[in-house]
Amino acid sequence: SQQGEEDPQALSIQEGENATMNCSYKTSINNLQWYRQNSGRGLVHLILIRSNEREKHSGRLRVTLDTSKKSSSLLITASRAADTASYFCATGLIQGAQKLVFGQGTRLTINP
Amino acid sequence: DTAVSQTPKYLVTQMGNDKSIKCEQNLGHDTMYWYKQDSKKFLKIMFSYNNKELIINETVPNRFSPKSPDKAHLNLHINSLELGDSAVYFCASSSMSSGNKETQYFGPGTRLLVL
Repeated sequence: SQQGEEDPQALSIQEGENATMNCSYKTSINNLQWYRQNSGRGLVHLILIRSNEREKHSGRLRVTLDTSKKSSSLLITASRAADTASYFCATGLIQGAQKLVFGQGTRLTINP
Repeated sequence: DTAVSQTPKYLVTQMGNDKSIKCEQNLGHDTMYWYKQDSKKFLKIMFSYNNKELIINETVPNRFSPKSPDKAHLNLHINSLELGDSAVYFCASSSMSSGNKETQYFGPGTRLLVL
């Protein structure tokens, strides 16, 4: 079964606004990652946060992790049209290899 | 320059056929993965190989058989294709022996349509 549940499933905002996506998960993790997928393309890694971290920044991205609530959020500030894509959270558990379990994704549309 | 490449990009075939998808990475990684993304965009891991050894094998029908001839390649062979196999298959790689172990690099995907 899917580990992560993302909320909302779809989000449409105006360019320049901030976009927030949430992810909840069920089991223990080593890390949580966010990926972006443009329509018809592969996944691109955006940011990783480890289980002992609470917040990470990368450019216009801010990720938080609350392991007590088993939830994470991705904030994209000052959105641009090029940010239009699907965003997936993935929980990572290292068991010989890194096993990523993905949420169902949030479809983000930035309107010019 | 392509880090993780897959061939073919598109594959249209008849039910019952056998087909293969190939994946190659030039990142020097030691671990490779196959994921399946269905029509609802759910992305699920299928297999993982580390140094040519099978590490992760999720509940996948026996008709799916991965093969890793070397660390840079992980191929996926599918026997007796069924309609439900239609999906986008993504290959990914990572390094479990050095550097950032957690990040995976994905290929562009192979869109399989079974008629």
